[in-house]
Amino acid sequence: GENVEQHPSTLSVQEGDSAVIKCTYSDSASNYFPWYKQELGKRPQLIIDIRSNVGEKKDQRIAVTLNKTAKHFSLHITETQPEDSAVYFCAANKGGSGNTGKLIFGQGTTLQVKP
Amino acid sequence: EAQVTQNPRYLITVTGKKLTVTCSQNMNHEYMSWYRQDPGLGLRQIYYSMNVEVTDKGDVPEGYKVSRKEKRNFPLILESPSPNQTSLYFCASSLGVGELFFGEGSRLTVL
Repeated sequence: GENVEQHPSTLSVQEGDSAVIKCTYSDSASNYFPWYKQELGKRPQLIIDIRSNVGEKKDQRIAVTLNKTAKHFSLHITETQPEDSAVYFCAANKGGSGNTGKLIFGQGTTLQVKP
Repeated sequence: EAQVTQNPRYLITVTGKKLTVTCSQNMNHEYMSWYRQDPGLGLRQIYYSMNVEVTDKGDVPEGYKVSRKEKRNFPLILESPSPNQTSLYFCASSLGVGELFFGEGSRLTVL
């Protein structure tokens, strides 16, 4: 079945450094790739997403890149701040004729930004 | 305010005692789904619904039931809960392929 692999599972960086989280997916028909941030005790919330018709999208300190040929996409956070500390999930949609919004999530990355 | 509301937020129950976790959204979304979150396993989909009276199994449906009689509601039913269903549950909704809006979560403990 469809699968999304996410690495690393934990990531610790110094404040001001960059952080990169990578995901690979198996469904070649996937065309929507969101990233969610979950702070401790809170619900996951969308921080950025990308569709397959673009290769990169940026929103202030956050960017996502997509390589459809290799079936992988990455989240880049620059100038990290302590409030970026959270669990980050990547996801890919189930594509093709069964594409109705079903998302498959990666296992999550716990990011710690040290002051 | 656009939101997904689930209840109860916290529940401790015993093995075999049927329970229902309710979920309601006020955004007129067609798509609704249930996830469970366990340490190291991420968010795993239990069931999803593409519209009223249309539901389908996700990745971990065993031991759960759902119904979608109205567009706004998507309850999760545990007919005979077992300890391995102790988890954090999230309901979510979206308008087709796009942002998934999550409820605040329901932490369930089955003794």
